[in-house]
Amino acid sequence: NAGVMQNPRHLVRRRGQEARLRCSPMKGHSHVYWYRQLPEEGLKFMVYLQKENIIDESGMPKERFSAEFPKEGPSILRIQQVVRGDSAAYFCASSQTGPNYGYTFGSGTRLTVV
Amino acid sequence: GQQVMQIPQYQHVQEGEDFTTYCNSSTTLSNIQWYKQRPGGHPVFLIQLVKSGEVKKQKRLTFQFGEAKKNSSLHITATQTTDVGTYFCAGPVKTNYGGSQGNLIFGKGTKLSVKP
Repeated sequence: NAGVMQNPRHLVRRRGQEARLRCSPMKGHSHVYWYRQLPEEGLKFMVYLQKENIIDESGMPKERFSAEFPKEGPSILRIQQVVRGDSAAYFCASSQTGPNYGYTFGSGTRLTVV
Repeated sequence: GQQVMQIPQYQHVQEGEDFTTYCNSSTTLSNIQWYKQRPGGHPVFLIQLVKSGEVKKQKRLTFQFGEAKKNSSLHITATQTTDVGTYFCAGPVKTNYGGSQGNLIFGKGTKLSVKP
């Protein structure tokens, strides 16, 4: 059981470039969540997806950010035209049946915008 | 909007001392979950509490869920250096019709440091 796999672990992008963060949930988990964490801060919810569906994107900035969880392949969090303020750790989590059971988090992607 | 608050933000203890972190929600929760994040690591699920007044123990860790299901606490007895990290509580977001929405709202965490 490989757990939740995120890649890359570290990503450096210049301002204006695109960042693509990938997340493969645990085997058997169909619910995927993306959270952002700034240094010394808590976890801020961004988006909740199930296969081919966005269930809740209330935490996603309206511009430049998008997420998908296709029928085949990992979930992708995409940030277009990155700015320095996007620098953060992005964690993906998965669960089997929703929020009423514990999440399994991936190791995260540390995004640095230079 | 719905909020989950934790205190204290930081706690420094001598090894062997006890430690407690408190979690308060602005709304009643169907359940509360606790996570631990080691420095440089990712959050790891510790436990879930569901029933009003529930108390659960994991070795030196004791978790409580308040009678009103709006607050919770985590108590560590005789801390060790391996307890270092940030402890987060989290609860499901409520929908307008009272159900759980499908994602967790996290407190800002309590960062524990332990001096050997």
